[in-house]
Amino acid sequence: GAGVSQTPSNKVTEKGKYVELRCDPISGHTALYWYRQSLGQGPEFLIYFQGTGAADDSGLPNDRFFAVRPEGSVSTLKIQRTERGDSAVYLCASSLTPMTGPQGYTFGSGTRLTVV
Amino acid sequence: DAKTTQPPSMDCAEGRAANLPCNHSTISGNEYVYWYRQIHSQGPQYIIHGLKNNETNEMASLIITEDRKSSTLILPHATLRDTAVYYCIVRVGSGNTPLVFGKGTRLSVIA
Repeated sequence: GAGVSQTPSNKVTEKGKYVELRCDPISGHTALYWYRQSLGQGPEFLIYFQGTGAADDSGLPNDRFFAVRPEGSVSTLKIQRTERGDSAVYLCASSLTPMTGPQGYTFGSGTRLTVV
Repeated sequence: DAKTTQPPSMDCAEGRAANLPCNHSTISGNEYVYWYRQIHSQGPQYIIHGLKNNETNEMASLIITEDRKSSTLILPHATLRDTAVYYCIVRVGSGNTPLVFGKGTRLSVIA
């Protein structure tokens, strides 16, 4: 597609439930990044993929968060036992390669997750 | 942690130049200055970047001081659509270090 697509755009879930957030990167982009943005804050890095493998997951806050990219294109961010503090906008970005400079990052519009 | 300091908010009259400052006193010799902006309900969008020299593109100009410890993003004729949060980021030009965002500057363009 022309840009990075994230679905759903909004998700409301109950505390304790499991959620999956999807990111479709630009076709041919091998690097994919997940960020989380709380209200009034800048985006916070979570994890990035080079191809199918997670090259850096140092930003994942705890083991309730997990992400996969099994075929090197679409990625899914999974959150188990959601907590109210997980409420945020989850952003995805892709770039042609990890070595591409930041000018080559394209961000999606994000998924707004609300845990009630 | 972000390596940059920006004012939390600024106002600018429509049609006037918007000058957004950024301090990056600990910048390393191989680090670039990147600017992104985030319009409400959208993801961040790349604007411009530079190493030492001033840069200009169709969106903005970037002025970097000679000692590289600070820079200014200039939107020459701000419009209402330029209302957004502007992020100044320092990072090496290539490589797999993720972008680190600070809180940015919320620019409000006023009619």
